Amino acid sequence: SQTIHQWPATLVQPVGSPLSLECTVEGTSNPNLYWYRQAAGRGLQLLFYSVGIGQISSEVPQNLSASRPQDRQFILSSKKLLLSDSGFYLCAWTKGGGNHGYTFGSGTRLTVV
Amino acid sequence: AQSVTQLDSQVPVFEEAPVELRCNYSSSVSVYLFWYVQYPNQGLQLLLKYLSGSTLVESINGFEAEFNKSQTSFHLRKPSVHISDTAEYFCAVSEWAGGFKTIFGAGTRLFVKA
Repeated sequence: SQTIHQWPATLVQPVGSPLSLECTVEGTSNPNLYWYRQAAGRGLQLLFYSVGIGQISSEVPQNLSASRPQDRQFILSSKKLLLSDSGFYLCAWTKGGGNHGYTFGSGTRLTVV
Repeated sequence: AQSVTQLDSQVPVFEEAPVELRCNYSSSVSVYLFWYVQYPNQGLQLLLKYLSGSTLVESINGFEAEFNKSQTSFHLRKPSVHISDTAEYFCAVSEWAGGFKTIFGAGTRLFVKA
């Protein structure tokens, strides 16, 4: 069966520090991968998505970046965090075709202080 | 879909009462429709989906949703809610736009009171 792992679950980082969040998928190949951010009391904001190794599409210009070094690995990074980067970050995957729905990771609660 | 609107940001309801969470979308093409549930501090879980065929779809925990093409709606219902149904519910629409693109609604927080 397919599973998605996302870590860490919580993170408290000072302003200006770097960030690295990792997401891996097991049990499938060539998944479409996504990073979403959910601010408190708000909906989902798509940050990045990837349809293949090394292919990254950015939906929102910001100080975050994403990389896909392996087929089932998706990394969200920042060189210098801002207070506004605080939020709940969710990784998700789906197979190609819009009829499968998304499978989400358990999320990372990031607090920038 | 150009937009997905969840008309209620919060829905308080008493235990064992019926509930309807509303979702409307705008799109000029055929779509796939989804409802997701998010419990506190967790990721979203797929609750149910409409792809084609019968316009009424059901989940394993008693929720159902009906696709209404003329009204471009996909409302979620449950005839009798439990305390454990307290969560946030997201409607999502997937359409072809040079590749499948999924848009999520802003979410509806369902709060079930004893």
